[in-house]
Amino acid sequence: AQKVTQAQTEISVVEKEDVTLDCVYETRDTTYYLFWYKQPPSGELVFLIRRNSFDEQNEISGRYSWNFQKSTSSFNFTITASQVVDSAVYFCALSDPGESPGGSYIPTFGRGTSLIVHP
Amino acid sequence: NAGVTQTPKFRVLKTGQSMTLLCAQDMNHEYMYWYRQDPGMGLRLIHYSVGEGTTAKGEVPDGYNVSRLKKQNFLLGLESAAPSQTSVYFCASRLTGTYLNTEAFFGQGTRLTVV
Repeated sequence: AQKVTQAQTEISVVEKEDVTLDCVYETRDTTYYLFWYKQPPSGELVFLIRRNSFDEQNEISGRYSWNFQKSTSSFNFTITASQVVDSAVYFCALSDPGESPGGSYIPTFGRGTSLIVHP
Repeated sequence: NAGVTQTPKFRVLKTGQSMTLLCAQDMNHEYMYWYRQDPGMGLRLIHYSVGEGTTAKGEVPDGYNVSRLKKQNFLLGLESAAPSQTSVYFCASRLTGTYLNTEAFFGQGTRLTVV
């Protein structure tokens, strides 16, 4: 069974603050993938990043950075110098082979963290 | 670039009515999924399909049926709608398991209200 925990239900910050969104996952497989998605108030789901289990290198994309640590089963997301446009619900997701022949890799989502950035 | 398209975007049903949500993708993806999103619950998998003609149950399948008669379409049916099925429904598709194509692409969502 796989599980994704996003313990922070809601985070409120003031613009220009740094903020980290936590994601902890559980899986029995050695090959798996992790994702972050953003859901702005308009409701669509926007893909942000994918990581596979063999690549623990951290990634930076502009103001966004991701810290993947297999030792703690965490894949945390940091926004530096937050902006009002960052206000959204952020979802962490995990997909692994599961028990289906050939691997189902069904994405399982955490419950999301609502980020509110105040001007 | 259409990607994943869901029809309709909004719908209000009366309890007991039936309806079908259509998901169409033009990316030749093998895998397709139906999720529902409820406040504080994240996205929960209803049913999924690993290819044309195949379907399987997800985490919350009760009250829903699906069909995948064509590779590009994945239909979600509600035979007798209940207020508990009020939710936002998302369809997603994904190319089969190679590293560079494992993220899911989502439709824009369907907001369904059952009164």
